[in-house]
Amino acid sequence: DSGVTQTPKHLITATGQRVTLRCSPRSGDLSVYWYQQSLDQGLQFLIQYYNGEERAKGNILERFSAQQFPDLHSELNLSSLELGDSALYFCASSPAGTGSVWQFFGPGTRLTVL
Amino acid sequence: TQLLEQSPQFLSIQEGENLTVYCNSSSVFSSLQWYRQEPGEGPVLLVTVVTGGEVKKLKRLTFQFGDARKDSSLHITAAQPGDTGLYLCAGASGSARQLTFGSGTQLTVLP
Repeated sequence: DSGVTQTPKHLITATGQRVTLRCSPRSGDLSVYWYQQSLDQGLQFLIQYYNGEERAKGNILERFSAQQFPDLHSELNLSSLELGDSALYFCASSPAGTGSVWQFFGPGTRLTVL
Repeated sequence: TQLLEQSPQFLSIQEGENLTVYCNSSSVFSSLQWYRQEPGEGPVLLVTVVTGGEVKKLKRLTFQFGDARKDSSLHITAAQPGDTGLYLCAGASGSARQLTFGSGTQLTVLP
């Protein structure tokens, strides 16, 4: 158990819909990272937040957005869903002062778009 | 764009055999991480190497960082079925604020 929690574990929805994925980092960790993992693309970095502010952006689509709240939990919002958005979405957190080096991953949310 | 290539992509071996997985890049990384991921779970950090030429051992696993800090290898001695999983390398550069992950090596150890 990494200490990072994600909900829900599974999500099945239809094209065009909007979903919200939730992540709680390890106690004391200020950074939260979101990743998408699909069979053909591997593990792709989406976005990072540090203490409530966006710190770095990766290959995140405009239809996707994220935020980190004052209690440090984070949400990833996916809208206008397409079949190709079906993937595993992981959240990771890292201790303050370690940069991006030590990342601890949650169990993931499996999103299926029908 | 920094890319990490892992080889082999798939590896299926018998219990007791040794194996090596490679992670290569044309870019220099300040540190390199190895993760193992099991089906339906998130990647679990195994080790971080930061110095060129560094070798770290974790029981039957030996990790090496290349002298030029562009490549790394993972060697498993006497593999066991419990070693089965997806092995991912990930590199961090001095300026990047995120990790770049390799495509992974899917290891299957047959009893």
